[in-house]
Amino acid sequence: SQELEQSPQSLIVQEGKNLTINCTSSKTLYGLYWYKQKYGEGLIFLMMLQKGGEEKSHEKITAKLDEKKQQSSLHITASQPSHAGIYLCGAHPGGSEKLVFGKGTKLTVNP
Amino acid sequence: DTEVTQTPKHLVMGMTNKKSLKCEQHMGHRAMYWYKQKAKKPPELMFVYSYEKLSINESVPSRFSPECPNSSLLNLHLHALQPEDSALYLCASSKRVGGNTGELFFGEGSRLTVL
Repeated sequence: SQELEQSPQSLIVQEGKNLTINCTSSKTLYGLYWYKQKYGEGLIFLMMLQKGGEEKSHEKITAKLDEKKQQSSLHITASQPSHAGIYLCGAHPGGSEKLVFGKGTKLTVNP
Repeated sequence: DTEVTQTPKHLVMGMTNKKSLKCEQHMGHRAMYWYKQKAKKPPELMFVYSYEKLSINESVPSRFSPECPNSSLLNLHLHALQPEDSALYLCASSKRVGGNTGELFFGEGSRLTVL
């Protein structure tokens, strides 16, 4: 089965600092999703990456997909308290309709 | 309308009760999902419905019974649950069916406590 490993597990940064979260897959990636979750709430879609080398940005969040390395990175520039939450990467194992998630990275941004 | 609505938001039930969780979307999506999320864990897929037919059951115990009465509604019937079934239950939908579904839209979840 496909496993997604995220690092770090948790991250505490000062407001205004940049940070990067990584997601590495044990198998070939057929697309990679990034979601954000506030505690006890639903998941908010951030970005979907489908092709190797693809890079997408939304406001101050940028995600890249390295298909050869079977990994993706999520970069936040000039972090704000509103960026705090749990970031989850997701993928379809074997290209199936199932969407499985990594264990998440908990981000705390201190003002 | 880009929402997935789940009711109730909170549910407390005894082990002998029968209850249901409901999920509704009006985006015309043809795939709907149930996920279970325990504290500090990622969501785990339970069921997938494609065109109102059950396409994936991730070996979920029969005390959880899904139902898709029409393309907008998804229910999860609960019976004889155990305390370890206490969790956040998330519903999601996607426009595309099958591999590489594209974005899944998630509801806010129903927090279930089994006493």
